[in-house]
Amino acid sequence: EPEVTQTPSHQVTQMGQEVILRCVPISNHLYFYWYRQILGQKVEFLVSFYNNEISEKSEIFDDQFSVERPDGSNFTLKIRSTKLEDSAMYFCASSKPTGGNTEAFFGQGTRLTVV
Amino acid sequence: AQSVSQHNHHVILSEAASLELGCNYSYGGTVNLFWYVQYPGQHLQLLLKYFSGDPLVKGIKGFEAEFIKSKFSFNLRKPSVQWSDTAEYFCAVNPPNAGKSTFGDGTTLTVKP
Repeated sequence: EPEVTQTPSHQVTQMGQEVILRCVPISNHLYFYWYRQILGQKVEFLVSFYNNEISEKSEIFDDQFSVERPDGSNFTLKIRSTKLEDSAMYFCASSKPTGGNTEAFFGQGTRLTVV
Repeated sequence: AQSVSQHNHHVILSEAASLELGCNYSYGGTVNLFWYVQYPGQHLQLLLKYFSGDPLVKGIKGFEAEFIKSKFSFNLRKPSVQWSDTAEYFCAVNPPNAGKSTFGDGTTLTVKP
């Protein structure tokens, strides 16, 4: 069964460093998403991406964040200068709109630890 | 904007007890509804989903949920919980034709053996 894959599963980085989280969405999906879950908290929407551009972003997704689809398969989230509060689990998801039954498929997440 | 409320933040049950976790949403139109489970340290797993049709939806691991449109609710149920059901449970909604989901705050379920 096709699935969304994320790498790495765990990333430790020093404060102020840039980090890139990688995702390979399901191949025939058209919409891509990043979500964040700070430890013990709920899953929060960061950004959605369609047709090579951001379609929606939350207030969390500030200038420190960027997304890119550098080739036909990868979808990346870059954090330019990490802060301690960026430590969280980051989930990638993808979906293929099909009438009214749209479901996002989630990857297993990347746990980012900023030290 | 849509929002999701899960009123039970932490539920503690003994094994074999019945479970019902509440989920209410606010959105002015048709929605797709989901319940996810997250075991400690793990990723989200889809338990069940509702798009249309029979409002009683059966999912994996013996879970079910009932969509009550008039109450904007999608409560999760299980007749008899097991210790292995200890996890965080999230309700989520998204409008049709959009995979962007809004999640509730989650409910922590602890099942005592």
